[in-house]
Amino acid sequence: EPEVTQTPSHQVTQMGQEVILRCVPISNHLYFYWYRQILGQKVEFLVSFYNNEISEKSEIFDDQFSVERPDGSNFTLKIRSTKLEDSAMYFCASKATDVREKLFFGSGTQLSVL
Amino acid sequence: SQQGEEDPQALSIQEGENATMNCSYKTSINNLQWYRQNSGRGLVHLILIRSNEREKHSGRLRVTLDTSKKSSSLLITASRAADTASYFCATEQQETSGSRLTFGEGTQLTVNP
Repeated sequence: EPEVTQTPSHQVTQMGQEVILRCVPISNHLYFYWYRQILGQKVEFLVSFYNNEISEKSEIFDDQFSVERPDGSNFTLKIRSTKLEDSAMYFCASKATDVREKLFFGSGTQLSVL
Repeated sequence: SQQGEEDPQALSIQEGENATMNCSYKTSINNLQWYRQNSGRGLVHLILIRSNEREKHSGRLRVTLDTSKKSSSLLITASRAADTASYFCATEQQETSGSRLTFGEGTQLTVNP
């Protein structure tokens, strides 16, 4: 089965630094998402992306966050100035169409902000 | 309570027994999905049930959906030690534009050999 690929699997950064989390969605998919999971908590929606623009974002996705699909294959999440509370597992997901189908999730990037 | 709440929070059973996990939600939905997560790993999609469906099967999994009660259950039959994981329900609500999923808190299932 095709997979969503995320890199790196672990990222450690200092508070205030910028981080970019990378994702390669499944090649024929059109809808892209970022979710996060703080340790011991539930998975939370951050942002959805379609046709090169954000289609929906949550209250978590403030001005420190941005997403980009720079080259037609990669889908990135940038956190401009990381905070301690940004420490979490970040999941990328994609799906083919807007028909109410399942998401394919990547294996996640564990971000630790020190 | 929040959208997509599972109960129980934790469930410990013996191998071979059945495991039932429940999920409740608050708003109208397009579909409800169940995901599995092994410790510290990614989310694996198990099954999707649409709002006009009442029951769905996939292998040892059986999912029911009662939209009048806004609840769903996931039954794993003949459990195995390898089924040990966290199980989450996630709802796709009707009023969202980007098909976002709202996840529940999860049920930690432990299957003892």
